[in-house]
Amino acid sequence: KNQVEQSPQSLIILEGKNCTLQCNYTVSPFSNLRWYKQDTGRGPVSLTIMTFSENTKSNGRYTATLDADTKQSSLHITASQLSDSASYICVVSGSGGYNKLIFGAGTRLAVHP
Amino acid sequence: EAGVAQSPRYKIIEKRQSVAFWCNPISGHATLYWYQQILGQGPKLLIQFQNNGVVDDSQLPKDRFSAERLKGVDSTLKIQPAKLEDSAVYLCASSFPRGGGYTGELFFGEGSRLTVL
Repeated sequence: KNQVEQSPQSLIILEGKNCTLQCNYTVSPFSNLRWYKQDTGRGPVSLTIMTFSENTKSNGRYTATLDADTKQSSLHITASQLSDSASYICVVSGSGGYNKLIFGAGTRLAVHP
Repeated sequence: EAGVAQSPRYKIIEKRQSVAFWCNPISGHATLYWYQQILGQGPKLLIQFQNNGVVDDSQLPKDRFSAERLKGVDSTLKIQPAKLEDSAVYLCASSFPRGGGYTGELFFGEGSRLTVL
């Protein structure tokens, strides 16, 4: 069964600290993996999209890594800011034919001053 | 570039009533999605359109939910009659097909929050 699991479910960190969010998936065959940021009461916004051949991708203070062999991805946030408080959703797309997107449940991050 | 527009942002109804949500995708985006997001969970696909044709509606509760995308542009999602468990945020997203079966980047609207009492 195609699944995407994220950990931790929630996380609290202090402003200025770094953190890493995890995503494990069982989607096969694999096409790409996406990370989205969803502020409270807003729609998700894309942070990164990585294909099979990419093992790291950055977007400002956000760096995503992908290990297609172990089917794991991580999202590292550097020097966190209060505005980083949001849910971070990992989404995996299969390949071949109609590529359904499989969503994780998200990690809820709270950055405290 | 204008984003995905959704309305209404908030709706409160009683169970067994009906409700409709509207979505206008980004201009030129042929693919339109409706997702249901229950509090604390990731979005769940309800229906996907390619132009005005349905690609996937396997998780749409067809006894109460319906959706249409006439003319291949904007779309409406209707719930009739609503149940308590339909309380959720209904997200619309659109994408520009990349070809080769690749799903392009999704752009989401702000969502419509439904509360069923």
